[in-house]
Amino acid sequence: QTVVTQEPSFSVSPGGTVTLTCGLSSGSVSTSYYPSWYQQTPGQAPRTLIYNINTRSSGVPDRFSGSILGNKAALTITGAQADDESNYYCVLYMGSGISVFGGGTKLTVL
Amino acid sequence: EVQLVQSGAEVKKPGESLKISCKGSGYSFTNYWIGWVRQMPGKGLEWMGIIYPGDSDPRYSPSFQGQVTISADKSISTAYLEWSSLKASDTAMYYCARRNTYGYDFWGQGTLVTVSS
Repeated sequence: QTVVTQEPSFSVSPGGTVTLTCGLSSGSVSTSYYPSWYQQTPGQAPRTLIYNINTRSSGVPDRFSGSILGNKAALTITGAQADDESNYYCVLYMGSGISVFGGGTKLTVL
Repeated sequence: EVQLVQSGAEVKKPGESLKISCKGSGYSFTNYWIGWVRQMPGKGLEWMGIIYPGDSDPRYSPSFQGQVTISADKSISTAYLEWSSLKASDTAMYYCARRNTYGYDFWGQGTLVTVSS
């Protein structure tokens, strides 16, 4: 079964830039996986940040951006703020309606 | 305004059945897939399955195939997630989400299911 991989944790300084990645246990992430990214703080429903690689959801500030970097999807946060401290999940579309979540990255801003 | 409103929290005993719901409004319900996502206490998000309300065609993650049933009633713009025999390990928060062509764009508020004897 395909496993979607993410860094378990990451830290960034306030005002800094961080890139979180989303890979596959076997193979490369390409545009046909339509990677998307979601932010979740404890006790809250997920919030959609990015879909279709790099399209920001309505209301998402432009310091969040998505891309394909090498063989992985990537979420870059530029000018990190304290309230960016959250869990971040990627989703890859596997075809035939099936999607898979990554394990999530816990981002600390300090 | 697009909204997905889920049914309220449930407390059940092992072996009982349960059906939770997700009602869509503010858009054409039959034109978008609705997915279900599990989050066990303190854990990450897990994709369970999805349904296209236009033709009630469900797809399941291999991990959840046979464990739950996903259905939809387009006449009332509602999708469902159902268990025939709950286990303690089904205790979790369950989210529904609308899928556009490229990702999930709107989320329900979540339904907490607690299974305990």
